Amino acid sequence: GAGVSQSPSNKVTEKGKDVELRCDPISGHTALYWYRQSLGQGLEFLIYFQGNSAPDKSGLPSDRFSAERTGGSVSTLTIQRTQQEDSAVYLCASSTPANRDSYEQYFGPGTRLTVT
Amino acid sequence: RKEVEQDPGPFNVPEGATVAFNCTYSNSASQSFFWYRQDCRKEPKLLMSVYSSGNEDGRFTAQLNRASQYISLLIRDSKLSDSATYLCVVNLRTGGFKTIFGAGTRLFVKA
Repeated sequence: GAGVSQSPSNKVTEKGKDVELRCDPISGHTALYWYRQSLGQGLEFLIYFQGNSAPDKSGLPSDRFSAERTGGSVSTLTIQRTQQEDSAVYLCASSTPANRDSYEQYFGPGTRLTVT
Repeated sequence: RKEVEQDPGPFNVPEGATVAFNCTYSNSASQSFFWYRQDCRKEPKLLMSVYSSGNEDGRFTAQLNRASQYISLLIRDSKLSDSATYLCVVNLRTGGFKTIFGAGTRLFVKA
């Protein structure tokens, strides 16, 4: 079946502009994560959605970052007033939530964001 | 101290070699553990979960030592295709819930 998809695959934007990144999780997966990965670094957790529960936003680095998940499926990560340090690959993952402690996360191919 | 620490490597090994990676975690509230594999400029993919009793999947063996707070991954009979970055992942519950990825260990398998 279809995996996690993300769009765009690459985004170049000027400092100060807003960007929106999209994630389509695997059908039926109610858990959705956003991460970012800077060059040569590990994954940094940003935000987690689980069904209709309030999202876990504890990883968002500043109030310029926000995310929504509409209808329990597609998610959009928005970065306002982008800065050069926001340049990274933004990865989305989804999973089945039967047991949050032990499930596998399936990742999308990521969006490579470059802020000039 | 990082919550999940790995030796960044790189590990350079010949085909057929056995190689082992360790990962240490600092929070005793850690509840579940995984190894993911990430190829260059690709997304991470689950390699295997790590169970308390240890588990094996073909050439790969994962072990967990809760007392010393580390997990390990052993790769036997290395193949060229094993060249990748191996990410240690820990789920922990401390009031909320967190998934923490290590920065990864790079492996190069050479002919």
